Amino acid sequence: QSVLTQPPAVSAAPGQKVAISCSGISSTNGNNYVSWYQFVPGSAPKLLIYDNNQRPSGIPDRFSGSKSGTSATLVIAGLQTGDEADYYCGTWDNSLTTGGVFGGGTRLTVL
Amino acid sequence: QVHLLQSGAEVKKPGASVKVSCKASGYNFPSYYLHWVRQAPGHGLEWVAIINPSGGYTGYAQKWQGRVSMTRDTSTSTVFLELNNLRSEDTAVYYCARGNYYYDYWGQGTPVTVSS
Repeated sequence: QSVLTQPPAVSAAPGQKVAISCSGISSTNGNNYVSWYQFVPGSAPKLLIYDNNQRPSGIPDRFSGSKSGTSATLVIAGLQTGDEADYYCGTWDNSLTTGGVFGGGTRLTVL
Repeated sequence: QVHLLQSGAEVKKPGASVKVSCKASGYNFPSYYLHWVRQAPGHGLEWVAIINPSGGYTGYAQKWQGRVSMTRDTSTSTVFLELNNLRSEDTAVYYCARGNYYYDYWGQGTPVTVSS
């Protein structure tokens, strides 16, 4: 069972916008920053968002992140068929016996 | 450009050991932590281990302590994950990933199958 909670699946039509939630983020022993990752079969996973809302170079601004309290949200606008993937949120616990903490993942289907 | 190249798929019997590798290139190897993260079939991501390539210091998720070992070879910019006493539940894709508290580059994944 994952520490962070994500919906198992979301879907939307091409061109539309979808939001993926991530809850259960605790600041007790970590830096409280959330990151988001895209997993496409056959490809190396990709960092989409770090520090709650920052995009790495090369990630289009269709992808945006936000955080409020113990929850975070990834929004993907202007959906494309290539966005079909599994999306994971993650954060960090400073305890070396806990380390990375992730959500269970959300499967995005672009209808 | 940054690249993490992992070793190929492994098939092992229960009780055996496996050692997977991840060769880093395109950046200063000692400057970034490296991690192993796994994804078991039907499950989400699970953090396994971390290494500071500079000093070799390591940390392991509590459930793995005593059964895994993460090492590095600075001469080849390669990190390794050795998992001992394999069980069927260890069947998963193992990823190496670079970063301090988030993972900005990932390897392509190494499938490990444990089956009798």
